[in-house]
Amino acid sequence: DAGVIQSPRHEVTEMGQEVTLRCKPISGHDYLFWYRQTMMRGLELLIYFNNNVPIDDSGMPEDRFSAKMPNASFSTLKIQPSEPRDSAVYFCASGNRGNEQFFGPGTRLTVL
Amino acid sequence: AQSVAQPEDQVNVAEGNPLTVKCTYSVSGNPYLFWYVQYPNRGLQFLLKYITGDNLVKGSYGFEAEFNKSQTSFHLKKPSALVSDSALYFCAVRVNAGKSTFGDGTTLTVKP
Repeated sequence: DAGVIQSPRHEVTEMGQEVTLRCKPISGHDYLFWYRQTMMRGLELLIYFNNNVPIDDSGMPEDRFSAKMPNASFSTLKIQPSEPRDSAVYFCASGNRGNEQFFGPGTRLTVL
Repeated sequence: AQSVAQPEDQVNVAEGNPLTVKCTYSVSGNPYLFWYVQYPNRGLQFLLKYITGDNLVKGSYGFEAEFNKSQTSFHLKKPSALVSDSALYFCAVRVNAGKSTFGDGTTLTVKP
């Protein structure tokens, strides 16, 4: 298995632009997580899905952030409009009930 | 609420010496505990977990962790540190069937 796949690996955009991050989880995993990591705030859970259904989005910072999982092999995290304070590394992870999570390589987002 | 604490932001050891990275937890019920490692510019990588059974858990790259119920601790250990072990280490506890909560991380530096 190729592991969790994220794209793009790097994204540089200007304030106000829409940003879409993509994730392909490991086949057979029924949980998918989106995290954000910064030096200031550490690792934050933004939202997670179970069987493609959002379970807990309490970590999503604002209405500018949205996430979808249209099927078991694809998820997106969208920021619209983006702001400089959204600059961070965004990780997608997948796993099965109660077990360890497998993280993707991350997307480094820079908003100018 | 389930939580973990990593009391040390940084741990420094000399190559060849034993290392310990500390983690304490607070849970209701039986804990599911995890250790992850993050190398620079990479996603988190699962090292080992405790669910039940033997209090000494062995994991990847020669790491092990000791579960201590009376002290509510789950310290990560390695008998002989390598320079290549230098990384950021996260302890995590399962919150529910889906998600885990992560500690703030401990930076391990192994000096030659």
